[in-house]
Amino acid sequence: NAGVTQTPKFRILKIGQSMTLQCTQDMNHNYMYWYRQDPGMGLKLIYYSVGAGITDKGEVPNGYNVSRSTTEDFPLRLELAAPSQTSVYFCASSYSNRVKETQYFGPGTRLLVL
Amino acid sequence: DQQVKQNSPSLSVQEGRISILNCDYTNSMFDYFLWYKKYPAEGPTFLISISSIKDKNEDGRFTVFLNKSAKHLSLHIVPSQPGDSAVYFCAASAIDMRFGAGTRLTVKP
Repeated sequence: NAGVTQTPKFRILKIGQSMTLQCTQDMNHNYMYWYRQDPGMGLKLIYYSVGAGITDKGEVPNGYNVSRSTTEDFPLRLELAAPSQTSVYFCASSYSNRVKETQYFGPGTRLLVL
Repeated sequence: DQQVKQNSPSLSVQEGRISILNCDYTNSMFDYFLWYKKYPAEGPTFLISISSIKDKNEDGRFTVFLNKSAKHLSLHIVPSQPGDSAVYFCAASAIDMRFGAGTRLTVKP
């Protein structure tokens, strides 16, 4: 049982480049989330999904896009990378409740935009 | 705006002693609170939670206390062990979940 997996672990991007951060969970969870964590700050929600085909914005969605074509996968897309997007990105999932249930986190993707 | 604050970036305690990690919140609508633990190069893992209808919840060596009037919660670890050394995040939720910035706990042998 792998839980929540994320790829890549680390990436350096140039300003203006694009990339997709991959997230997969094998727990058959309905809810999936993308967070970013900046130094000295708490996790901030970028986007979330309550099931395949349904996504919604979180606290800091600007500059990102998501899709949820399957229960297992929830990729995060950066179209035009900016230095402000340098951060650690965590994907998470939960079974049935967005705010009253434990979330299971992946190991994170460290992104550096230069 | 920081609705959930962990004002101590770090805490160091001796093995066997009590560790007390604190968390303050500003939104009185928060009704569910969680603590997560994070080791380096790993994602946060759930530790313990508490609903606003309670003021205490215990799970083994870990106890969370909630003081709604003060908008304050704390995590007590007794006795502390070197394996408890990690970053601890508190989170609070109502419509959305908000996380604190974390406190790095170091337990010295």
